[in-house]
Amino acid sequence: SQQGEEDPQALSIQEGENATMNCSYKTSINNLQWYRQNSGRGLVHLILIRSNEREKHSGRLRVTLDTSKKSSSLLITASRAADTASYFCATDASGNAGNMLTFGGGTRLMVKP
Amino acid sequence: KAGVTQTPRYLIKTRGQQVTLSCSPISGHRSVSWYQQTPGQGLQFLFEYFSETQRNKGNFPGRFSGRQFSNSRSEMNVSTLELGDSALYLCASQTSPVLETQYFGPGTRLLVL
Repeated sequence: SQQGEEDPQALSIQEGENATMNCSYKTSINNLQWYRQNSGRGLVHLILIRSNEREKHSGRLRVTLDTSKKSSSLLITASRAADTASYFCATDASGNAGNMLTFGGGTRLMVKP
Repeated sequence: KAGVTQTPRYLIKTRGQQVTLSCSPISGHRSVSWYQQTPGQGLQFLFEYFSETQRNKGNFPGRFSGRQFSNSRSEMNVSTLELGDSALYLCASQTSPVLETQYFGPGTRLLVL
């Protein structure tokens, strides 16, 4: 079963605009990660934020985490056509033995040139 | 360093057959996780191996099994294939026994007819 739900399920924007995707999860976590997937290929890791962090930046990416609301957001600034992909949040539930990620349903982002 | 490799990349089988998929992790990575991705269920955790030991198993029937070898390469096997086993099977590796960034391979796309 999926731990997280992502919102929106699909997003279409123009190049240069910002894209915001949200993720909600159900249980306490150790960390939350965001991944990108192009057209049913492998997942590419974007950013990891730990449960004691509130915000993290990496290039044009900004991730926030609100553990009280069990939610996270991914902001992509100044989007490019190459950002067109599906974006997934994934959580590592606290108390898990071993390495096990639980993924959200994903947001399909289309950036129009 | 070479990335995670998965073989074969594409596979077509018929119901009732069995299949073995292979994953070679990044050199030095001792943890290998397997995920199944389908349009209906999304990304779901199958199992994780660390130093040849299965530490976690997802909610899949016993037809799904795996193993890890002393060189950290991993295989997963699905017996008595069903149509619903058609999916993209993703393998991910990492160095640490504690969950950090997972590096994904390109996946094996299995079609069951």
